[in-house]
Amino acid sequence: NAGVTQTPKFQVLKTGQSMTLQCAQDMNHEYMSWYRQDPGMGLRLIHYSVGAGITDQGEVPNGYNVSRSTTEDFPLRLLSAAPSQTSVYFCASSLKTSGGWAQETQYFGPGTRLLVL
Amino acid sequence: GQQLNQSPQSMFIQEGEDVSMNCTSSSIFNTWLWYKQDPGEGPVLLIALYKAGELTSNGRLTAQFGITRKDSFLNISASIPSDVGIYFCAGKRGGGATNKLIFGTGTLLAVQP
Repeated sequence: NAGVTQTPKFQVLKTGQSMTLQCAQDMNHEYMSWYRQDPGMGLRLIHYSVGAGITDQGEVPNGYNVSRSTTEDFPLRLLSAAPSQTSVYFCASSLKTSGGWAQETQYFGPGTRLLVL
Repeated sequence: GQQLNQSPQSMFIQEGEDVSMNCTSSSIFNTWLWYKQDPGEGPVLLIALYKAGELTSNGRLTAQFGITRKDSFLNISASIPSDVGIYFCAGKRGGGATNKLIFGTGTLLAVQP
């Protein structure tokens, strides 16, 4: 059981380049989310998904696209990278259950550190 | 977007000391969560709180859901070096198992042996 995996671990892009950050989970979790973490800002929700084929915007969605074709995968796409997107990106997943710890427990991946020049 | 106010921003303490940190919001939350993030890792859930006034412990950690629903507190007793990391609070509004969390700005904890 690998949990939540993210690739790549590090990436350097030039302004205007596009790329996809990969996220996969093998826990059969319905919910998956993408966050970005900036110094002094905590984590901010970019996009999330409540199941395959269903996605919605979070707090800071501009400049990012997502899709959820399978339960396991939730890629995050940067269509035209900008220096303001330099950040650490975390993917998280959680079960769709009611009550108790499992309901709110989000499992985070190790993060992707992105630098946009 | 909204961020939760978390204080203190950082703490530098001696091993064995107790630690307290809190998180406040201008609006009401139905769920409060506390996470710890080790360097180079993703956050890991420590404690989840679901009811106003609730007090929950996890080993040396104790967290409380504020009566007003606008704040939460985390205490760590008898700190040890492995407690080092960044502690985040997170709040969730509304019912149902959604995953739209609002995170605090984090408290950096350093423990000197």
